[in-house]
Amino acid sequence: AQTVTQSQPEMSVQEAETVTLSCTYDTSENNYYLFWYKQPPSRQMILVIRQEAYKQQNATENRFSVNFQKAAKSFSLKISDSQLGDTAMYFCAFMERGTNFGNEKLTFGTGTRLTIIP
Amino acid sequence: EAGVAQSPRYKIIEKRQSVAFWCNPISGHATLYWYQQILGQGPKLLIQFQNNGVVDDSQLPKDRFSAERLKGVDSTLKIQPAKLEDSAVYLCASSLRAGSSYEQYFGPGTRLTVT
Repeated sequence: AQTVTQSQPEMSVQEAETVTLSCTYDTSENNYYLFWYKQPPSRQMILVIRQEAYKQQNATENRFSVNFQKAAKSFSLKISDSQLGDTAMYFCAFMERGTNFGNEKLTFGTGTRLTIIP
Repeated sequence: EAGVAQSPRYKIIEKRQSVAFWCNPISGHATLYWYQQILGQGPKLLIQFQNNGVVDDSQLPKDRFSAERLKGVDSTLKIQPAKLEDSAVYLCASSLRAGSSYEQYFGPGTRLTVT
């Protein structure tokens, strides 16, 4: 079974600074996808960024970028120029590209609570 | 475009009572998911529907939990009878199709407290 580990339960950073959230995962599969989701205090979860395992290039979305190290099974999220609106729970998630298409399942980590300090 | 709607937002019940949650996915989304998020944990998939058929319910405690999506649109999740450990936020999500290529959109969730 796949597992996702987020070893930082809480983090805080000053506004405009850069912060990196860590995530490691365990899988025996070679074809999979990784995601970072953001869950603000209102609790509606939204997708921040995704990475296909077969792509060597790290994904970026504006101020959000990832450092994907496939051999180390590491998938960290970097937030640049952090803003107050970035305050939220951040979840790392894994999805296997299974043989039974349409049956892939998201496995989430336990989350990191990020607070941006004004 | 309207998002995923869920109701109620909050529910408090006593153990052994029953409760039902409702979810209305984004229009046109064929795939619907129910997740359970216990405090301090990430969401865990309970059941996945493709239209009105079940794709995955391997983590659904079927002795007390049931879910349906009769017309391939709205869905209800029921717990009967509830236990203290069922206290959690129940999240509904939908996607255009199943699979990693299609983003899952989440609703605001229903916070259940069992006393």
